[in-house]
Amino acid sequence: AQKITQTQPGMFVQEKEAVTLDCTYDTSDPSYGLFWYKQPSSGEMIFLIYQGSYDQQNATEGRYSLNFQKARKSANLVISASQLGDSAMYFCAMRETNTGNQFYFGTGTSLTVIP
Amino acid sequence: EADIYQTPRYLVIGTGKKITLECSQTMGHDKMYWYQQDPGMELHLIHYSYGVNSTEKGDLSSESTVSRIRTEHFPLTLESARPSHTSQYLCASSESVPGTGDTGELFFGEGSRLTVL
Repeated sequence: AQKITQTQPGMFVQEKEAVTLDCTYDTSDPSYGLFWYKQPSSGEMIFLIYQGSYDQQNATEGRYSLNFQKARKSANLVISASQLGDSAMYFCAMRETNTGNQFYFGTGTSLTVIP
Repeated sequence: EADIYQTPRYLVIGTGKKITLECSQTMGHDKMYWYQQDPGMELHLIHYSYGVNSTEKGDLSSESTVSRIRTEHFPLTLESARPSHTSQYLCASSESVPGTGDTGELFFGEGSRLTVL
């Protein structure tokens, strides 16, 4: 079974609008971490935001926020006020403590911001 | 800003050649990783190391080998490259979070894009 599922291969958003990128995860480990990374066409992976399984509040980092719904096992990324530079691949990842802190990545969502 | 470096960024070689992809980090992180990624696709873990003289194979079978003789250095070697090895290789590092048993976020290098003709 997939540990991380990203069901949106591609998304489009108008500049200055908000967009939500979906991510669901599968784990029986009570202790885990959820991460979002951005990968521009240049290829590097840029860390965006982190949510711990015990965190009560949703994580926020500037224009990025993580909508953490633990019971649904979802960790959607919300980007507010989209900019042209946000066009990239976005990967959701999970780190499980009980499997030796292994990281699992989703298949990614390609986001295109339209002027 | 993360201090993790990969060389070469781009490499085009012929079949049968031996290659080494270099990865170095200056953050003193104990954990290092190699991921393989085809264009627009997910990342697959091929090797990882949780400290000096410790290396493990990842989920994706790979003909490459790695070594961890120094904390900061984690090179990946292909003894005989083939066209099926054409891919992007991403090196990453992370550190243990004191007192928690957890690992912090992965810091990635810029990647090495390998093309084997």
